[in-house]
Amino acid sequence: GAGVSQSPRYKVAKRGQDVALRCDPISGHVSLFWYQQALGQGPEFLTYFQNEAQLDKSGLPSDRFFAERPEGSVSTLKIQRTQQEDSAVYLCASSSGQGYNSPLHFGNGTRLTVT
Amino acid sequence: AQTVTQSQPEMSVQEAETVTLSCTYDTSENNYYLFWYKQPPSRQMILVIRQEAYKQQNATENRFSVNFQKAAKSFSLKISDSQLGDTAMYFCAFMTTYQAGTALIFGKGTTLSVSS
Repeated sequence: GAGVSQSPRYKVAKRGQDVALRCDPISGHVSLFWYQQALGQGPEFLTYFQNEAQLDKSGLPSDRFFAERPEGSVSTLKIQRTQQEDSAVYLCASSSGQGYNSPLHFGNGTRLTVT
Repeated sequence: AQTVTQSQPEMSVQEAETVTLSCTYDTSENNYYLFWYKQPPSRQMILVIRQEAYKQQNATENRFSVNFQKAAKSFSLKISDSQLGDTAMYFCAFMTTYQAGTALIFGKGTTLSVSS
């Protein structure tokens, strides 16, 4: 596809369940970011990959959150033992390089609702 | 730490009129980029316009322009000839470079409603 693809588009989980959110970046894009967007708020940075290397995970809110990008393309954000405060839209973005001249391309996000 | 503040949670405008969305930011860096993103109900973030901090000239993209005041750390977005399709949430964002790469820091957003 031409853009960043995220799946599922919607996910409902019961509190305590584990979830996995997938991101397919634009082919060849080196950089990949995950953001968390609470309802009515701006996106907040979670983690950053350069190829398969996770170079920054400072935004992950707890050790229940884990992200991987094993082959430097598709990325998965996993949330273990989901809590209600995890309910949010999770956005993935990719770019062709790093630095100011590599604009981010965003996916449509996954809306996670924890009941 | 860098912060981005959007003080207008909601704005409304009539079709064909002009509206200005405000944004202020705080940083100690000298080189950075500023962005305005649009997020319609589809949730996809769409880049509207961007500004390099080292450029004094304000960026313009068709009906969208910015008023960048570096000393005041202000970065407002002006939408001229507003259209119904401009209805969306608008986010101001700041891009910083740090050791690992770059990441956008977003404001809380302004919901813009354009009515006929």
